[in-house]
Amino acid sequence: QSVLTQPPSVSAAPGQKVTISCSGSSSNIGNKEVSWYQQVPGTAPKLLVYDNDKRPSGIPGRFSGSKSGTSATLGITGLQTGDEADYYCGTWDTSLSAGVFGTGTKVTVL
Amino acid sequence: QVQLQQSGPGLVKASQTLSLTCAISGDSVSSNSGAWNWIRQSPSRGLEWLGRTYYRSKWYNDYAVSVKSRITVNPDTSKNQLSLQLNSVTPEDTAVYYCAGGLWRDGMGVWGQGTTVTVSS
Repeated sequence: QSVLTQPPSVSAAPGQKVTISCSGSSSNIGNKEVSWYQQVPGTAPKLLVYDNDKRPSGIPGRFSGSKSGTSATLGITGLQTGDEADYYCGTWDTSLSAGVFGTGTKVTVL
Repeated sequence: QVQLQQSGPGLVKASQTLSLTCAISGDSVSSNSGAWNWIRQSPSRGLEWLGRTYYRSKWYNDYAVSVKSRITVNPDTSKNQLSLQLNSVTPEDTAVYYCAGGLWRDGMGVWGQGTTVTVSS
């Protein structure tokens, strides 16, 4: 149903790196800025990355964002047990004239 | 810092109107540089953006296609808050509802605590 597609889950051992992809189209990621959110179950989403690759103050440099064409990627390095959460991408869709979120990715620290 | 405090009933009967409010502190609902959004989350629909209101010399609204015929997002400048009204609800509208501040370009950096709304048939 969502116009932005993410893998359902990714996992890695503590200290390792994971990447989460977000695939869209020319009407959303292709020409609009992407933001990323972390959500621990039972709490509200938290902004991790905005404008494709910028971090709000207080977000550690272990979290990074990038965009190429109609896809975006969130990277998490030095994985910690506290990073176990659901992660969502989001952007504006110019065809829908509406905001759209990705399908969400569950990160598991092995 | 900016904080959002949501209020409203947690139980609504089918066919009736869901009404929630979001009180803003530390910023203005009339800010010329921001936007105020409503988002919901359910296991079946994931995170779903519903609509927003923002002020740029006059008020603007945008709504998701899925709820466009049933939704109203209104600012209340006297109380510095925004409201959500969703008409003719069905059990499919059962979800956790969030208000959030920010433009998509800048990311939504502030969120309300969430309100669990159950629509009973």
